[in-house]
Amino acid sequence: QVQLQESGPGLVKPSETLSLTCTVSGGSVNNNNYYWSWIRQPPGKGLEWIGYIYYSGTTNYNPSLKSRVTISVDTSKNQFSLKLSSVTAADTAVYYCARRSGSFSGLFDYWGQGTLVTVSS
Amino acid sequence: QSVLTQPPSASGTPGQRVTISCSGSSSNIENNPVNWYQHLPGTAPKLLIYSNNQRPSGVPDRFSGSKSGTSASLAISGLQSEDEADYYCATWDDSLNGPVFGGGTKLAVL
Repeated sequence: QVQLQESGPGLVKPSETLSLTCTVSGGSVNNNNYYWSWIRQPPGKGLEWIGYIYYSGTTNYNPSLKSRVTISVDTSKNQFSLKLSSVTAADTAVYYCARRSGSFSGLFDYWGQGTLVTVSS
Repeated sequence: QSVLTQPPSASGTPGQRVTISCSGSSSNIENNPVNWYQHLPGTAPKLLIYSNNQRPSGVPDRFSGSKSGTSASLAISGLQSEDEADYYCATWDDSLNGPVFGGGTKLAVL
C-alpha cells in the first residue's frame, strides 16, 4: 500500500520561503509511471494544483505560481520536496502531496493527509 | 475562480439519488478523462471515480460517473449519512498543460 506523508514547518513568515517534504513508502518515486505532485487548499476554498515532478527530474508548474515554485526529488530518500518563495498570507493553506497517474490526467490515486501551513509574522 | 465549474452545494435525504455536475470546456473535459474525489475535512481526498466512469477497488457501486461533451456528472444513489463530504472533479487541461480541479461541491445529507 502506497503511503505519502508531508512534513515541514507549520508557520512561515511573510516574504520567506515555504519548504515541505513528502516521504513516500510502499512504492518508489523512481518509477516512470507516476508524477509526484503538490496540491493545496486555502481555508474555505477548493483544491489548487501547484506542480509535479517526474522521476527523471522533469517538472511542470501551475503558471500562476511558476515564478515562485521549485519541486525537487531525492530518489535515495524516496522523497520529493516543495519550495515556495516570497510567501504571503494568500499562501496559507493545507498542502497535500499526491501521486498522479498517467501522462495527461487529473488522476491522483494516493494522497498524503495534508499539512497546514500558516503564513504570519 | 476554478477552471471547472461545480455547484457549491447539494443535498438529499437518506436513500435518495443525487447528482453533482462539473462543467468545463473543449480544452479540458471534452478531450480528457474526468476523475472525482471525495474529501472529508481533515483527511486525505479519496479517489472515487476515474476515467469518467470507473470505480477504484473498494468504492461502492452507489457511486457512478458519466461524461458528455464538456460536462461530467457524479451520481450517488441510496444516499447515506456517511456520504456527507466535499466532492471535486478533476481533469487535464490542454491549455494550462496541467491538471485542473472544480471548485468543489459540499453535499449535505438531511
